[in-house]
Formats: sequence, structure tokens, C-alpha cells
Amino acid sequence: GQNIDQPTEMTATEGAIVQINCTYQTSGFNGLFWYQQHAGEAPTFLSYNVLDGLEEKGRFSSFLSRSKGYSYLLLKELQMKDSASYLCAAPRNTDKLIFGTGTRLQVFP
Amino acid sequence: EAQVTQNPRYLITVTGKKLTVTCSQNMNHEYMSWYRQDPGLGLRQIYYSMNVEVTDKGDVPEGYKVSRKEKRNFPLILESPSPNQTSLYFCASSPRAHMGGYTFGSGTRLTVV
Repeated sequence: GQNIDQPTEMTATEGAIVQINCTYQTSGFNGLFWYQQHAGEAPTFLSYNVLDGLEEKGRFSSFLSRSKGYSYLLLKELQMKDSASYLCAAPRNTDKLIFGTGTRLQVFP
Repeated sequence: EAQVTQNPRYLITVTGKKLTVTCSQNMNHEYMSWYRQDPGLGLRQIYYSMNVEVTDKGDVPEGYKVSRKEKRNFPLILESPSPNQTSLYFCASSPRAHMGGYTFGSGTRLTVV
């Protein structure tokens, strides 16, 4: 089977750093995705990790450890517009993408 | 502009009245998929298509049909909608399965009364 777990909610302060964790169990691993979804809008692609380690993309970085079934999304210099849900997703086999239930991040001034 | 277009954005219908939600992409993507999103359950895959004339069930296919007669279009059909199909629906596409991340449509909020 396949399971993806992430915290339901997190809060942080503008300008701070926040780390959103994701653990997964899957057979036939083919990488891990992160998406951002603002309330009432469509998810947008943030990152894709297939190898272990940290990948940095501006204020956002994503980390993967395949041996531990663990990933995190790191958001630096938080802005109010970063208030959104962050979805972790992993492929099941070669043709299906399974999403976690998402972490709702609220950024306060 | 590269995009996935879904219509309608909002739909209220009655139980049993057949409806179709359209999805079209202009990026020549091979892979297309439908998801529904419900509070506390996240995005769940309904159907997907690896290419023209190739469709397969996702995790929650009951009560839905799809077709992929052309590469750009992937309509979602509810033959006899029921209230438990009230949800937010998203169509998504990618160059191939899992390649390059999905591009999502704007979503269709469906209410079945």
C-alpha cells in the first residue's frame, strides 16, 4: 500500500523559517513532489526530488531521504502570501500520483 | 499561454441528471488525470489517461466515466450524480506520468442536491 503523512496545520511569523515534514511509504519509489495550494485555487507545482539531498529554489528548498521515507519543504523569509496549503505527493507505480492531505500554513505579521 | 482549461467553474445540479465537466490542455501533454478534493481527505485520483484512447481507474472511480478521444481533451462524465459526489474537482496534465509536475485546471465546484 501507500501512505503519505504530513501535519495538518502550522503557524509561523512573517520573516521566519518554517519546515513542513512529510513521511511516506510506497513501493517502487519514483520521486516526491511538493505543491502549493492557496484557498479556493488550483495546486501549483513547487518541487520534485528523486535523489537524496537538498534542492534549493529561491526561498523554497526541498529535502529527500529515500532510506528514511522522509521529505521536508523549507520556506525561508516567510511572507504573508506564503499562507497556503502545502501538499506532498508521491507516485504509486508508474502511472498514479498520490497526495497527502496537505499542511495548512498560516503566516502572521 | 500554456494552460489546462476546465468548465464550468461552478455547477449546481440535481440527483440523477447527467453532466459533463470538460477539460482541455494546450501543451501537447500525454498524461491527464482527474482528482476530487474533499475536506480532510485531500486530493484523490478518480481516473487518469496515459495517452489517447488509454484510460484507467484511480482510487475513487465509482460513479464516474472518462474518455480520451483526442490528446487535448479529457472530459469527466457523471451519468447519474448523487449528493456524495458534491466536491471540488481538478483536472491535471503533465508531459508524461510524473514528468515535470502536473499543471492543474482552475477547478470545478460541483454541488449535487
